[in-house]
Amino acid sequence: ETGVTQSPTHLIKTRGQQVTLRCSSQSGHNTVSWYQQALGQGPQFIFQYYREEENGRGNFPPRFSGLQFPNYSSELNVNALELDDSALYLCASSGQGAADYEQYFGPGTRLTVT
Amino acid sequence: QKEVEQNSGPLSVPEGAIASLNCTYSDRGSQSFFWYRQYSGKSPELIMFIYSNGDKEDGRFTAQLNKASQYVSLLIRDSQPSDSATYLCAVVGTYKYIFGTGTRLKVLA
Repeated sequence: ETGVTQSPTHLIKTRGQQVTLRCSSQSGHNTVSWYQQALGQGPQFIFQYYREEENGRGNFPPRFSGLQFPNYSSELNVNALELDDSALYLCASSGQGAADYEQYFGPGTRLTVT
Repeated sequence: QKEVEQNSGPLSVPEGAIASLNCTYSDRGSQSFFWYRQYSGKSPELIMFIYSNGDKEDGRFTAQLNKASQYVSLLIRDSQPSDSATYLCAVVGTYKYIFGTGTRLKVLA
């Protein structure tokens, strides 16, 4: 196990609702990245947080937003849920500075939007 | 052209054989390359990383990098049924990983 935890494990929401997913990074890691993985696809980069600041963003609309806290845990918020947001959401932590790219993934949150 | 390309497979190899997984990438400035293994329903697990041209060995795994040709490969020696999974290639661009869609490997007992 990587030491990265995510909650909840599974979630079912209705289109138009809002959701918050949570991630605790591995001890000593100060960088958290969030990914969306649709079935049969590779993970798609949403954004990265380094020392509480957004440090890069992929091609996702503004209704995907995030936070990182002083203890380096993180949240992913998605507003106005759409059916296509159904996916596995992964967070990954990496340590000791933004240049350290060895990322370790949490178990993921499976989001279903109906 | 996709930024990171992998053959989706499935790649079927008999138990004990060498499995060869390949990945090409488009950004010549990429410096870091990773291989992840993902079992069905689970999250990706880091198995190898390579930064320099050439080979890097770790147990039954060997990663190979050729920056001039823009490809990276993963060899799995003495393949076991437990190696059956999807293998994801990831290339690091500016502050972010770019993943391929993965190659599904089946090791036949």
